[in-house]
Amino acid sequence: GQNIDQPTEMTATEGAIVQINCTYQTSGFNGLFWYQQHAGEAPTFLSYNVLDGLEEKGRFSSFLSRSKGYSYLLLKELQMKDSASYLCAVRAVDRSNTGKLIFGQGTTLQVKP
Amino acid sequence: EAQVTQNPRYLITVTGKKLTVTCSQNMNHEYMSWYRQDPGLGLRQIYYSMNVEVTDKGDVPEGYKVSRKEKRNFPLILESPSPNQTSLYFCASSRIKPGQLEQYFGPGTRLTVT
Repeated sequence: GQNIDQPTEMTATEGAIVQINCTYQTSGFNGLFWYQQHAGEAPTFLSYNVLDGLEEKGRFSSFLSRSKGYSYLLLKELQMKDSASYLCAVRAVDRSNTGKLIFGQGTTLQVKP
Repeated sequence: EAQVTQNPRYLITVTGKKLTVTCSQNMNHEYMSWYRQDPGLGLRQIYYSMNVEVTDKGDVPEGYKVSRKEKRNFPLILESPSPNQTSLYFCASSRIKPGQLEQYFGPGTRLTVT
């Protein structure tokens, strides 16, 4: 079956670093995405990993290990506005469903002063 | 401005009354998709389309229909809505070229079926 796991909730302090983990088991793999979603709003794209390693984009970095079915999103220098849900999503690939995107349930991050 | 638009943004309807939620994108994206988001269940894919006249089922297609007659539009049709289709719906689009697969989401449609 297809499964993506993330912690449900995390809390961190303003200015700190937080790591949000994601593990996945899917039929085939064609990339892993991280999205940010503020309450009541649409998800917005943060990062995309298709090869192993670390992708850095400003305060946000994302890591992927395909052999372990594992990714993390690293947020540095946390700001209050980073309080949001963070969604891990995997593009699965099989013979008939080349376009399926499977989302985890999301991790709600609360940043405290 | 590059965007995905959805209409209506909010809709309250009654069981059995057919409705259509429109989705349009102005980025010439090949891929379009519909999701529903429910508390505790996350985003679940309803249907997706890899290009004009090509559609495929996602994880929760029952009770929904879609069509892709033009590249920019991807309407979601509920022929006979039921209360369990009360949800927040998102449309999204993307390129299909490797390295450009990030999806852009519309603002969402909050549907209540009584």
